[in-house]
Amino acid sequence: DTAVSQTPKYLVTQMGNDKSIKCEQNLGHDTMYWYKQDSKKFLKIMFSYNNKELIINETVPNRFSPKSPDKAHLNLHINSLELGDSAVYFCASSQDIPDGGPTDTQYFGPGTRLTVL
Amino acid sequence: QKEVEQNSGPLSVPEGAIASLNCTYSDRGSQSFFWYRQYSGKSPELIMFIYSNGDKEDGRFTAQLNKASQYVSLLIRDSQPSDSATYLCAVTTSLNSGYSTLTFGKGTMLLVSP
Repeated sequence: DTAVSQTPKYLVTQMGNDKSIKCEQNLGHDTMYWYKQDSKKFLKIMFSYNNKELIINETVPNRFSPKSPDKAHLNLHINSLELGDSAVYFCASSQDIPDGGPTDTQYFGPGTRLTVL
Repeated sequence: QKEVEQNSGPLSVPEGAIASLNCTYSDRGSQSFFWYRQYSGKSPELIMFIYSNGDKEDGRFTAQLNKASQYVSLLIRDSQPSDSATYLCAVTTSLNSGYSTLTFGKGTMLLVSP
């Protein structure tokens, strides 16, 4: 069974379109994340939710809107896509909010490669 | 801005050698430290975590932590071509919001030649 899954795996779209990426985890974790990995492979936190509550929002344009319908799901909706949004988006989960202990370990989904033309 | 620094590489080692990967971090309050491996086109996968100063061994991998020097390293013994990947150092860092998150380095590419 896949622990953290994402759909779709690939997403190719035109500038100006709106798209969504979905993420689900079956690990029973309370905290989920969205990361963006750019062409230089730098992995940067975008958002984090703990028990459906947004706890981290790292200066991401408001065209990006996360939504967590329950603690096992975290979706990412992107409005008015721009060329610079092309990247790989990873969902991750951890047992709890990072506090310097073992529950800080994050487990990643397979990624969604978004290409904006 | 709290940072995690890694040499981007590539670090090239022959098969069977020891590969040494290094990482420094700026947040003195960081308490947990992770090494992830990422193959090209794949997602990061956890190799090891360490919380206490000193060494932690797991099979061919040894993580070393020195909080006073703000330095963490990963040694890979008997390197195999299958170890060729990018190794990401991640450190728990505190945000202005009061929450903490993992901050990742840009990764070191390791190439193990047969």
